[in-house]
Amino acid sequence: SQQGEEDPQALSIQEGENATMNCSYKTSINNLQWYRQNSGRGLVHLILIRSNEREKHSGRLRVTLDTSKKSSSLLITASRAADTASYFCATDAGYGGSQGNLIFGKGTKLSVKP
Amino acid sequence: GAGVSQSPRYKVAKRGQDVALRCDPISGHVSLFWYQQALGQGPEFLTYFQNEAQLDKSGLPSDRFFAERPEGSVSTLKIQRTQQEDSAVYLCASSSGLDQDEQFFGPGTRLTVL
Repeated sequence: SQQGEEDPQALSIQEGENATMNCSYKTSINNLQWYRQNSGRGLVHLILIRSNEREKHSGRLRVTLDTSKKSSSLLITASRAADTASYFCATDAGYGGSQGNLIFGKGTKLSVKP
Repeated sequence: GAGVSQSPRYKVAKRGQDVALRCDPISGHVSLFWYQQALGQGPEFLTYFQNEAQLDKSGLPSDRFFAERPEGSVSTLKIQRTQQEDSAVYLCASSSGLDQDEQFFGPGTRLTVL
């Protein structure tokens, strides 16, 4: 079963615009991660935010986490055609200890048009 | 340095055949994960190793699925008597620590069962 649900399922924007993707999850977590997957390729880690953090930046990426609403958002500023990919949020299993396995959402398919 | 590698990249099997998928994690990484990704979906957890110990196999869909990591490095996912519903991309990931942290993914093996 999948815990995270990304919204929207698909997003199409013009180069230079900002892209915002949202993720909701169901159970308590230790951290939340965002990954990118280009078509036919493996996943690339973008950013990790811990449950005691509210916002984190990495280059053109900004992630927020609201544990009270069990939601996170990923903002990509000044998008480029190369940002075209599927974006997934992933949470830890949340049942304590260091199980390690991630629970992924279904992803948001981002298309950035030049 | 080398990332996570998987072989073969593509595998076509006839229904009923056995297949073996290989994962070479990043050298020195303690944790190794297998995920299954159906078309248009996010990855779903299959099993988790810490060194050579298989600590969690709760995600394996049936007893036809078997994974091993005998020397704590290379891992093999074996699927016996393949069925059409086994068609998916099988992703391997490794991470350095024992705790929740970034996972590095391989490119995946796309399995098609005819």
